[in-house]
Amino acid sequence: EIVLTQSPGTLSLSPGERATLSCRASQSVSSSYLAWYQHKRGQALRLLIFGASSRATGIPDRFSGSGSGTDFTLTISRLEPEDFAVYYCQQYGISPRTFGQGTKVEIK
Amino acid sequence: EVQLLESGGGLVQPGGSLRLSCAASGFTFSTYAMSWVRQAPGKGLEWVSRITGSGAYTSYADSVKGRFTISRDNSKNTVYLQMNSLRAEDTAVYYCATDPRGWYFDHWGLGTLVTVSS
Repeated sequence: EIVLTQSPGTLSLSPGERATLSCRASQSVSSSYLAWYQHKRGQALRLLIFGASSRATGIPDRFSGSGSGTDFTLTISRLEPEDFAVYYCQQYGISPRTFGQGTKVEIK
Repeated sequence: EVQLLESGGGLVQPGGSLRLSCAASGFTFSTYAMSWVRQAPGKGLEWVSRITGSGAYTSYADSVKGRFTISRDNSKNTVYLQMNSLRAEDTAVYYCATDPRGWYFDHWGLGTLVTVSS
């Protein structure tokens, strides 16, 4: 199965700063079948990005995804207070579908 | 608005059974495949099982195959996860999610905690 490694484990930033989250796959993710989710405490996980770079419905354009092959990135251009959360990547190119262990974006 | 509400979690002894439910609303339930995904304490997310909209096809992670059974009742807009022969390593928060294409998960519930311990 594909192992997804997210880095860093924790990202400490201030509102207004740029956040760059990494997701590295143990083998190539076919057709950029990679998604990103946001999870805030006490709330449901929310789909942000699919197909590596396509924003889900209602997701603000400050969220962007990029990458291909084994290296993918989620960028939040300017952090809003509501963006501090845990972010997960997930690949769906090869069965079984697998997730990264998460990156926590916390307020500095 | 899509809403998914899981229930049925709790404390169960190793070897025991539990049935989780996920009540759905806000979309045409019978046309959507659904999945269960779990997260053990301090660990990442793990896909567990999927069922198609009609209920005709199911799939399972190797870690639960032969012990867990997914089903649905489209008249009640509810998907179930019957968990038998539970082990300590099944301890996790269990989430249900919409899974229309077997790719990514569009909508998630809040989860229900299952603790397997003596």
